[in-house]
Amino acid sequence: NAGVTQTPKFQVLKTGQSMTLQCAQDMNHNSMYWYRQDPGMGLRLIYYSASEGTTDKGEVPNGYNVSRLNKREFSLRLESAAPSQTSVYFCASSATPGYNQPQHFGDGTRLSIL
Amino acid sequence: RKEVEQDPGPFNVPEGATVAFNCTYSNSASQSFFWYRQDCRKEPKLLMSVYSSGNEDGRFTAQLNRASQYISLLIRDSKLSDSATYLCVVSLSGGYNKLIFGAGTRLAVHP
Repeated sequence: NAGVTQTPKFQVLKTGQSMTLQCAQDMNHNSMYWYRQDPGMGLRLIYYSASEGTTDKGEVPNGYNVSRLNKREFSLRLESAAPSQTSVYFCASSATPGYNQPQHFGDGTRLSIL
Repeated sequence: RKEVEQDPGPFNVPEGATVAFNCTYSNSASQSFFWYRQDCRKEPKLLMSVYSSGNEDGRFTAQLNRASQYISLLIRDSKLSDSATYLCVVSLSGGYNKLIFGAGTRLAVHP
């Protein structure tokens, strides 16, 4: 039961470097999300994709870009990493964009920017 | 003011105890409500949805008070395995599945 799979699990970058976080789900879900989680704060939405072919900004999109490659995959790109982007990143999916749908999470990517 | 507020804890309780967590939300347009559980350095996992009439799942009982805009979670007969952070989550209607997460309440159950 893979569910939502994220790669890599850990990454250390230098300021200014770029990288892409990968996310794939095998539950045939339509909607996918990227969050970041920082100490003492709730998860905050970076970007979401309500359905294949669409992406929209969430609460904290600055410094990030996303690609919904197909129904299964949703990637998050940091073009020029900054120390403020040190965080734990979670990808999630839900069957539909509906407000009563729980979201299923991957096990996270721990990213440190030096 | 945070949109979803929780007491951060930690709540330290012995095995077998009953413990209750409360959560308040600020947006009266909130439509759906959930409790998620997050173990240390792991992903959040859905514990239960919260319905207007209240609902129970084994040792866990969730209540919703729309008038006062708060949600509660009651855990009876606490187990060591219940030690985790409990996240209160509300969902807003309109456009997409916008979940607003509280920062979580940490529970530590000791022998």
